[in-house]
Amino acid sequence: GQNIDQPTEMTATEGAIVQINCTYQTSGFNGLFWYQQHAGEAPTFLSYNVLDGLEEKGRFSSFLSRSKWYSYLLLKELQMKDSASYLCAVMDSNYQLIWGAGTKLIIKP
Amino acid sequence: GAVVSQHPSRVICKSGTSVKIECRSLDFQATTMFWYRQFPKQSLMLMATSNEGSKATYEQGVEKDKFLINHASLTLSTLTVTSAHPEDSSFYICSARGGLSETQYFGPGTRLLVL
Repeated sequence: GQNIDQPTEMTATEGAIVQINCTYQTSGFNGLFWYQQHAGEAPTFLSYNVLDGLEEKGRFSSFLSRSKWYSYLLLKELQMKDSASYLCAVMDSNYQLIWGAGTKLIIKP
Repeated sequence: GAVVSQHPSRVICKSGTSVKIECRSLDFQATTMFWYRQFPKQSLMLMATSNEGSKATYEQGVEKDKFLINHASLTLSTLTVTSAHPEDSSFYICSARGGLSETQYFGPGTRLLVL
């Protein structure tokens, strides 16, 4: 079967750095996406990786290793507004998104 | 990023009535749109995938006669919850797929409360 694994919850301190890991097993691979979802709101697109390596976008970076079926989302200089759930999703060979359950990130002052 | 709108943002209705939710891709053409449901503190659950001009593909356990989906154009898909009941109360979110990377962009969601 297909599945995406990511931690259920993480806690970090304002101003610090946090890394949210995602491992996946899917039938085929056409890219990996990270989304941010604040409580009560719809997800918003953060990043897309299809080739190995690091994609940096401001305070957020996303890394992919296809050989290890692994990705991480790195958040730097954490702000209180970064408290949200972070969803990892992989597009399989049918171009369907397989979703992880999300990682709830709690930022403490 | 691309913009997807959803209307209404919130609806309260009586049990037994039908509710229509619209999803529009505002600045791109979406050949494929998706409808999700999310209960409080739970993961997104894909309900159906809709391609323009063809019938929607429903996920297992989702009643196609209860959740009617119409994808009449490349920028508009509608979800109609027919004969809504309190257990249908949820957060309904649409997404549209577009661009070179086939990224899914989400609408802001519709919060449905059935009394």
